[in-house]
Amino acid sequence: GQQVMQIPQYQHVQEGEDFTTYCNSSTTLSNIQWYKQRPGGHPVFLIQLVKSGEVKKQKRLTFQFGEAKKNSSLHITATQTTDVGTYFCAGRDKLSFGAGTTVTVRA
Amino acid sequence: DTAVSQTPKYLVTQMGNDKSIKCEQNLGHDTMYWYKQDSKKFLKIMFSYNNKELIINETVPNRFSPKSPDKAHLNLHINSLELGDSAVYFCASSQGLTAGEQFFGPGTRLTVL
Repeated sequence: GQQVMQIPQYQHVQEGEDFTTYCNSSTTLSNIQWYKQRPGGHPVFLIQLVKSGEVKKQKRLTFQFGEAKKNSSLHITATQTTDVGTYFCAGRDKLSFGAGTTVTVRA
Repeated sequence: DTAVSQTPKYLVTQMGNDKSIKCEQNLGHDTMYWYKQDSKKFLKIMFSYNNKELIINETVPNRFSPKSPDKAHLNLHINSLELGDSAVYFCASSQGLTAGEQFFGPGTRLTVL
């Protein structure tokens, strides 16, 4: 079945620095979604990517969907303490979530 | 107004007991889901219902039985609880099965002693 792999599992970031989390699928995805889960909270939808090579931005967050529609990335610039949480990618058509990248921020 | 609500928020029980978790959404969505999140935060789909019909039933022990009395509700009943069932269970809903935002409930933290 479809599996979505996500790396890194943990990301410790100095406030103000940039980081990227990566998502890879064993099969072609019709679309991919990203969610954020704050500590003690529930996953909250961030964005959905559908087209090959698509790039979308939300303020300091940049989301990319690979040309082959098998991988995706989330890049956060100038990390802030509000970015703390776990970021999940999800192959939406098979409801397959990556393992998540848990982000902690050093002030 | 809460879009997706779950009760209870916390559930502590003994091995062998039977328990239920309730979920309601007021978004008018056709599709509802149950996910299990383990201690490593891995989110795994358990069930999906579309218009009250079971669509997805992943490899889940048959001790778990979902019930959807109407489109707005999807309850989860668990029989003969085991230690390994301890996890956070999330209900979610969406308009459509294969695309579109999923709205998650606040979660139910189940602890089996």
